[in-house]
Amino acid sequence: SQTIHQWPATLVQPVGSPLSLECTVEGTSNPNLYWYRQAAGRGLQLLFYSVGIGQISSEVPQNLSASRPQDRQFILSSKKLLLSDSGFYLCAWTGGFDSPLHFGNGTRLTVT
Amino acid sequence: DAKTTQPNSMESNEEEPVHLPCNHSTISGTDYIHWYRQLPSQGPEYVIHGLTSNVNNRMASLAIAEDRKSSTLILHRATLRDAAVYYCILSKLTFGKGITLSVRP
Repeated sequence: SQTIHQWPATLVQPVGSPLSLECTVEGTSNPNLYWYRQAAGRGLQLLFYSVGIGQISSEVPQNLSASRPQDRQFILSSKKLLLSDSGFYLCAWTGGFDSPLHFGNGTRLTVT
Repeated sequence: DAKTTQPNSMESNEEEPVHLPCNHSTISGTDYIHWYRQLPSQGPEYVIHGLTSNVNNRMASLAIAEDRKSSTLILHRATLRDAAVYYCILSKLTFGKGITLSVRP
């Protein structure tokens, strides 16, 4: 069966520090991969999605970047975190654009 | 991208049916309607999806209007564990704020 792993679960980082969040999927090949962010009390905002290795689409211009170095690995990065980067970051995968999304457990990021 | 509109919140009594509405008046002919739910501090969980016909699974039923401009998620017997934020989304995978369902014991 397919599983999605996302880590760390929680993270506290100072303003101006770098960020790297990793997400991996097991049990499937060539998934579509997604990064979402959820601010406190808000809905999910799609940040990036990828349909294949090295293919990244950005939905919202911001302080973050994404990379897909391997088929089932998706990384969210920042060179210098801002206070506004705080939030709940979720990785998800699908087998296709009309297939259901499967989410990881999320990373709670607090920038201080 | 086509958007969905949902009420902010709804209350239900335990063991009663719940009908959660969603409007998507600008839906395209190829957009699927997906429903997810999210518990606090967890990632959303897939509930159900459909294109034109009504759909049933072990979690819920999805009733889709004939013109596809609205849909309703039906929980046949609400339990306390069904209290969550429910999102109705279309194929472009843009989530709104969802509807917060509260279940009274």
